[in-house]
Amino acid sequence: QKEVEQDPGPLSVPEGAIVSLNCTYSNSAFQYFMWYRQYSRKGPELLMYTYSSGNKEDGRFTAQVDKSSKYISLFIRDSQPSDSATYLCAISRSGSARQLTFGSGTQLTVLP
Amino acid sequence: DAGVTQSPTHLIKTRGQQVTLRCSPKSGHDTVSWYQQALGQGPQFIFQYYEEEERQRGNFPDRFSGHQFPNYSSELNVNALLLGDSALYLCASSQGRDLEYFGPGTRLTVL
Repeated sequence: QKEVEQDPGPLSVPEGAIVSLNCTYSNSAFQYFMWYRQYSRKGPELLMYTYSSGNKEDGRFTAQVDKSSKYISLFIRDSQPSDSATYLCAISRSGSARQLTFGSGTQLTVLP
Repeated sequence: DAGVTQSPTHLIKTRGQQVTLRCSPKSGHDTVSWYQQALGQGPQFIFQYYEEEERQRGNFPDRFSGHQFPNYSSELNVNALLLGDSALYLCASSQGRDLEYFGPGTRLTVL
């Protein structure tokens, strides 16, 4: 069993839609949770970072963590064509010297 | 302020050859991690360097080795290349509890 599983997609939505991206993880030792966005042929770019259960909001993006269910989500409101990218969840056991464990990514296309 | 830089951008090698990839961390960062990202997959942790020593290592064979220099830049070396080593190699830098910044990657193709 992989340590983190991500809904594989691909996902295609119309502009303005709310997007939900999801991951589950298997080990409660993971305490830190991140979402990265990766455009084609580029390196991952950090979008959201959290270490507690609950919601964290940043503009159109909301990260949700449920440690009891080992479930993490990223919501994108009012999606834009520029949001079209691959979204990667990542988890870590520690808050420093992090060894990130990534999901396999969900490819999102927002249609104008 | 330059972010994480990697060179070369793209590299083509044949099976059995050796390759060296280079990474310069973001200014002020002292920790460098390397990841391998196969096509359609998430990045996989190879190893991490801090104070010129390998601090953590993922599940990669000894053919993968690295080095960190006093200026915190780093190299990733892969010996006896296999077709399966074809991937995007990503370098990430950090400092203490600060978050990782990733470079654009080096795309390695093994023929």
